[in-house]
Amino acid sequence: AQKITQTQPGMFVQEKEAVTLDCTYDTSDPSYGLFWYKQPSSGEMIFLIYQGSYDQQNATEGRYSLNFQKARKSANLVISASQLGDSAMYFCAMREGHSNYQLIWGAGTKLIIKP
Amino acid sequence: DSGVTQTPKHLITATGQRVTLRCSPRSGDLSVYWYQQSLDQGLQFLIQYYNGEERAKGNILERFSAQQFPDLHSELNLSSLELGDSALYFCASSPETASYGYTFGSGTRLTVV
Repeated sequence: AQKITQTQPGMFVQEKEAVTLDCTYDTSDPSYGLFWYKQPSSGEMIFLIYQGSYDQQNATEGRYSLNFQKARKSANLVISASQLGDSAMYFCAMREGHSNYQLIWGAGTKLIIKP
Repeated sequence: DSGVTQTPKHLITATGQRVTLRCSPRSGDLSVYWYQQSLDQGLQFLIQYYNGEERAKGNILERFSAQQFPDLHSELNLSSLELGDSALYFCASSPETASYGYTFGSGTRLTVV
């Protein structure tokens, strides 16, 4: 079974609009971490935001916020005021508490910002 | 610049050949991870080294091997290359565990022809 599911293979969004990228996860471990990474067309993998399973508040980093709904096992990335430079692949990933080395990755969402 | 250095950036080689990919982790990071990103398989964890010792193994083929040297740089050796080995190979590093994720290098794009 998929542990990380990103249901949106691709999205088009108008510049300056907010965008939500979906991520659902599956784990029975009470301790886990959730991550979002951005991969532009140049190929590098850029860390965006992290949410721990015991964190009381949703994580925020500048224009990025993580909408963490633990009961629904959902960790959606919200990008406010999108910019042309946000066009990239976005990956959701999870680290389970019993496995302190490996991140499990979703298939990614290709986001294209339209001017 | 993430602080994780991978060389070379691009590599084109023929089937059956052997190549070595190199990674220098971010200063102070003891763990190095290797990932393969291909179009059909997505991101796959290959192997982790921690302070010179192999810590964890993922979906790494027997034709592939890795090591981490005393100066903490790591090399991934790919041998008897096949067309299907064409992929983007990432190195990432972290202080000890992946508790707060990794810092990735810019990757080595391997093309096997």
